Amino acid sequence: EIVMTQSPATLSVSPGERATLSCRASQSISSNLAWYQQKPGQAPRLLIYGASTRATGIPARFSGSGSGTEFTLTISSLLSEDFAVYYCQQYNKWPPFTFGQGTKLEI
Amino acid sequence: EVQLVESGGALVQPGGSLRLSCAASGFTFSNYAMTWVRQAPGKGLEWVSYISASGSNIDYADSVKGRLTISRDNAKNSLSLQMNSLRDEDTAVYYCARVKGNYFDSNFDFWGQGTLVTVSS
Repeated sequence: EIVMTQSPATLSVSPGERATLSCRASQSISSNLAWYQQKPGQAPRLLIYGASTRATGIPARFSGSGSGTEFTLTISSLLSEDFAVYYCQQYNKWPPFTFGQGTKLEI
Repeated sequence: EVQLVESGGALVQPGGSLRLSCAASGFTFSNYAMTWVRQAPGKGLEWVSYISASGSNIDYADSVKGRLTISRDNAKNSLSLQMNSLRDEDTAVYYCARVKGNYFDSNFDFWGQGTLVTVSS
């Protein structure tokens, strides 16, 4: 099973600033990585797939990078609506699909 | 507009059974694999089960294998999860989600709002 590890667990950032979230895979997953955003009481929403491709309707301030075992989600200029929990997920070798434990982005 | 609507969540005693449903609309259901993902209270996301578009390929997380059964009815645009021998640790919000593409494109592009299953005596 591929283990996904996200860091930090909590990231405190001010609106307008840049946020950088990290995700590491226990073995190479090529670029088969997705990022999801989850707000309180809501379902997760797909942000990024293929490590760097924005899903439909996702603003350009969200960007993903990386391949192999190291990945990054960057939010260039935070809006209040961006404060949420973010999860990475690998789909390179499954089952099982595996998620990171999440990074909480807080003000 | 793609919509996924789960139902069937409830309070059930340990050892009991429950059947969750997910009604799909806004896309050609029979063209897409589907999956269930759960989230225990205050915890992260845990993949539960996968079913291919035709229903011929099915996978389960080890934690639910032998107790949960995924199925689909393409004529009714419906996904189900039969849950037997429920345990306290099955308590979670259960989400159905659409699988975007084939094996190396199998991220989850649309999610339902979730249904809460509580296992407690």
